[in-house]
Amino acid sequence: QKEVEQNSGPLSVPEGAIASLNCTYSDRGSQSFFWYRQYSGKSPELIMFIYSNGDKEDGRFTAQLNKASQYVSLLIRDSQPSDSATYLCAVTAGGSYIPTFGRGTSLIVHP
Amino acid sequence: AAGVIQSPRHLIKEKRETATLKCYPIPRHDTVYWYQQGPGQDPQFLISFYEKMQSDKGSIPDRFSAQQFSDYHSELNMSSLELGDSALYFCASLAGVGSYNEQFFGPGTRLTVL
Repeated sequence: QKEVEQNSGPLSVPEGAIASLNCTYSDRGSQSFFWYRQYSGKSPELIMFIYSNGDKEDGRFTAQLNKASQYVSLLIRDSQPSDSATYLCAVTAGGSYIPTFGRGTSLIVHP
Repeated sequence: AAGVIQSPRHLIKEKRETATLKCYPIPRHDTVYWYQQGPGQDPQFLISFYEKMQSDKGSIPDRFSAQQFSDYHSELNMSSLELGDSALYFCASLAGVGSYNEQFFGPGTRLTVL
């Protein structure tokens, strides 16, 4: 079982809608959880990270962490075509500080 | 503000050749992580450095080596290149291990092995 699982998509949403991206992880001892955005051919860009159960909001982005169910999600409100990208989930586990990435979910926001 | 610099941005090599990739972190950042991302793949952690010492090692092949210099820039040396080494290599710059609020990625080096 891969350590970090994401649906590869693509997830297609209309402009202005809420995009919901999900990620599950296998190590119950995982400590830190990250969401990155990656445009085609570019390096990832950190959107936000979360440590504690619950929600964390930053502008149009909200990360939600549920450690009991071992999932973390990212909500993007008022989605824009410029949000079209691959969204990578990553976690740290096993006492390591190094984020381990999932394969990413492709998001398409259509006008 | 200064960003993470990687050079070269693109590199084309033949099989069995060598390559050196460079990463210049943000000023005052002392931590560098290296990742390899093959086409359509998730980024794979290779190796990391903190204060000029190797701090973590991931799936880095024995053909590769890396180090961090006194000015905190890091170099990834790759020898006996194989077709499967073709990938985007990017580094992350942090102000300390686990300092995620100051985590920035470089633009990457696109390596093509022919």
